Amino acid sequence: DIQMTQSPSSLSASVGDRVTITCRASQSISSYLNWYQQKPGKAPKLLIYAASSLQSGVPSRFSGSGSGTDFTLTISSLRPEDFATYYCQQSYITQWTFGQGTKVEIK
Amino acid sequence: QVTLNESGPALVKPTQTLTLTCTFSGFSLSTTGMRVSWIRQPPGKALEWLARIDWDDDKFYSTSLKTRLTISKDTSKNQVVLTMTNMDPVDTATYYCARMQYCSNTSCSGYWFDPWGQGILVTVSA
Repeated sequence: DIQMTQSPSSLSASVGDRVTITCRASQSISSYLNWYQQKPGKAPKLLIYAASSLQSGVPSRFSGSGSGTDFTLTISSLRPEDFATYYCQQSYITQWTFGQGTKVEIK
Repeated sequence: QVTLNESGPALVKPTQTLTLTCTFSGFSLSTTGMRVSWIRQPPGKALEWLARIDWDDDKFYSTSLKTRLTISKDTSKNQVVLTMTNMDPVDTATYYCARMQYCSNTSCSGYWFDPWGQGILVTVSA
């Protein structure tokens, strides 16, 4: 299986901050990388698919980049509703795998 | 609007078989290209993909759980059913179903899960 490693595991940030989360794959996955947001007690919500495509309805402050093994999710200006856990997921091979998550907390 | 809803027992005993049903609306699993997956999440832990079923009845399973899982569909009822045998306390998790989307062109590639059901917490305990 392809291992997905996110960093950091958690971070503290303030409203208005620029936040960057990194996801690294154990082998090249081209652009087969998605990002999800999960709030406590809720199901994950798709933010970014195919590394950089913004899902319909998702605010433009979210952006994704990268290819191969290294990817980033950026929130350009953190809003109160963005405090959540973020997961990356590879779809390069059918044994789809997720990162361990990055929890974004209020500073 | 696409919606999915998981149902099943909240509590199962060790060694029992778990049967979960995903009832969906807004799409049909008889339509070419439609796919539904199950994913689980132990409390406080990360997400784990379990199984997928396609419109043409193709089925895919997690290699680590393949011997315990069966996925099936009832197109007339808009339902996908997952069974997991020999349940253990480590299988305690929230189980989600999700529609899968796919694209393969110059601007995008791959599969993703969207949307998800609200999830069902299944506890395995004697």
